[in-house]
Amino acid sequence: DAGITQSPRHKVTETGTPVTLRCHQTENHRYMYWYRQDPGHGLRLIHYSYGVKDTDKGEVSDGYSVSRSKTEDFLLTLESATSSQTSVYFCAISPPGLNTEAFFGQGTRLTVV
Amino acid sequence: KNEVEQSPQNLTAQEGEFITINCSYSVGISALHWLQQHPGGGIVSLFMLSSGKKKHGRLIATINIQEKHSSLHITASHPRDSAVYICAAKKGDTSYDKVIFGPGTSLSVIP
Repeated sequence: DAGITQSPRHKVTETGTPVTLRCHQTENHRYMYWYRQDPGHGLRLIHYSYGVKDTDKGEVSDGYSVSRSKTEDFLLTLESATSSQTSVYFCAISPPGLNTEAFFGQGTRLTVV
Repeated sequence: KNEVEQSPQNLTAQEGEFITINCSYSVGISALHWLQQHPGGGIVSLFMLSSGKKKHGRLIATINIQEKHSSLHITASHPRDSAVYICAAKKGDTSYDKVIFGPGTSLSVIP
């Protein structure tokens, strides 16, 4: 298994509070991604990173920010959580190269009440 | 119409049956990724293929680029194969950001 660890695995938070999810990898892969998974939708990309301090937006980036200060860590922050951000969040990593696959973490279940 | 579609949406099979899950896409791709997700669990990579066929144990994945179609086959299905199977169409050559995920096929294998 690829070395990806997400923390926390479960979190319940109140509307309006800030929340940070962490993704840690031991593979030294260049690319890291944050997705959310919701019923009725396929996985949707929130933000991704192509190197330290290099990040870009995905299709559902509103309300989220990310940071990558080290190769191994990619943080996802909800500045002011809303109920619509209740979801399961997955981190993924992939190495550079032609048609390389991505490896996913175990997911973080976030509930905003 | 979604760019990546899967059929069937839900599938129930008896243990031992041969199972086929289909994925069709309407965009140009560089590769097709099959993923498995167990209930409450993480997402596991099964196959990444850009042509032909790949086999791993009881799982076989095929792709027809001209017809924009891929299939995942499970031979001699087992209850532990019960999971959601997701296909993902990879549009970019290198990074994984230009990927469109299908809605998933939920498979239940009954003993």
